[in-house]
This record gives sequence, C-alpha cells and structure tokens, in this order.
Amino acid sequence: EDQVTQSPEALRLQEGESSSLNCSYTVSGLRGLFWYRQDPGKGPEFLFTLYSAGEEKEKERLKATLTKKESFLHITAPKPEDSATYLCAVSNQAGTALIFGKGTTLSVSS
Amino acid sequence: GAVVSQHPSWVICKSGTSVKIECRSLDFQATTMFWYRQFPKQSLMLMATSNEGSKATYEQGVEKDKFLINHASLTLSTLTVTSAHPEDSSFYICSAREPRGLNTEAFFGQGTRLTVV
Repeated sequence: EDQVTQSPEALRLQEGESSSLNCSYTVSGLRGLFWYRQDPGKGPEFLFTLYSAGEEKEKERLKATLTKKESFLHITAPKPEDSATYLCAVSNQAGTALIFGKGTTLSVSS
Repeated sequence: GAVVSQHPSWVICKSGTSVKIECRSLDFQATTMFWYRQFPKQSLMLMATSNEGSKATYEQGVEKDKFLINHASLTLSTLTVTSAHPEDSSFYICSAREPRGLNTEAFFGQGTRLTVV
C-alpha cells in the first residue's frame, strides 16, 4: 500500500533557527513528490515538485531534496511568516489524486 | 501557477438541507478534479475523483448518494452535500491537475468550511 509519513508532527523554532522536515514514502512507482504549505482555513499552496532521487529545488528560505525513500524540506533562518503546516504528497500514476502525509505544523517565534 | 477557485469559502446550513460547493479551474481545462475532506489537525482525505462528462469515482466509505458530484464542463465541478447533518461539518477542498504532461502538480481551491447546525 502506498504511504506517506511525515515527521515531526509539530516543530517549534526560534526565528533564525534552521531545521528540516522529513517525508518518508513507500510507493509503487513514484511519479512525483510534492510539497505544499497550508495556512489555517486555507487550501494547500504548491511549493515544489521533485521527480527523481538526487533532485533539489529551492525557493527563498526553503529547499527540498529527494532520495529513493524520503524527502527533506530544509528551512534556513526561518521567519514567523513561515509558520504553517507543510504537507508532503506523492503521485503513483499520472493524472490521479495525490497521496498525502499528515503534515508537519511549524511554528516560528520571534 | 494555475488557479483553482472554490466557492463559497464558508457556509452555515440547517440540518436536513443541501449545500452546493463549486470548484473552477480559471486558466486551464481540467478533465479531472478531486474532492477532499479535512478534519481539524488531520491531513486531506480523498473523497472522490470527478471526471468531466462521466460519473465520479468515490473512495471506499464515501456515500455517493450523500455527496453528489457533477463535472459538467472542463472548468467546473460541483459537490452537493445532500440532507446535511452536523457530522458532515468539515473543511472541503477541491483540486485539479493541469493536463500539461504526465507529471504535474495539483492546485487547490481555497477550501469551504461547512458548518451544519
């Protein structure tokens, strides 16, 4: 069964304190791994897509990496506005629904 | 990125009434859209896959007679919660994937907070 597990469930950081979020997956034929940001009461906002092991993508303070078993979302020098729930999802077939993890809720205090 | 618009963003209805939620892809044609339900502090649970011009495919445990899905055009899918009850109160989110190739990200609507009183 295809599965996505995210850790930790919650993470509290001080402003400027870098850290990483983990997404472990088992999928029968990975067609893409996706990272989303979700603010309370809003729909998920797309961040990154990774397709193959070794791939990396960056956007401002965020950097996503991918191996054959997991993905990391690295947050460098976070700011309070980075506080949100970060969701990881995988696709096992083109055009089908994504399979989501439960998310990591990040809180950054100043 | 592509834009998916969902309406309304919140709705309060009386128990026993029906509520319709709209999901539109604003700048691309979506032959397939997805409807999710999200409980507080939980991840997104897929309810059904909406296919343009054909019947929706429902996930196990989702009542298709209660959650009616219509995908009448390439840019619009609707979810109707029929005879709503308080246990149907939840956050409903729609999603669409751009048909630009085999591996594409999904874009999400803003979500609809349904409260049944």
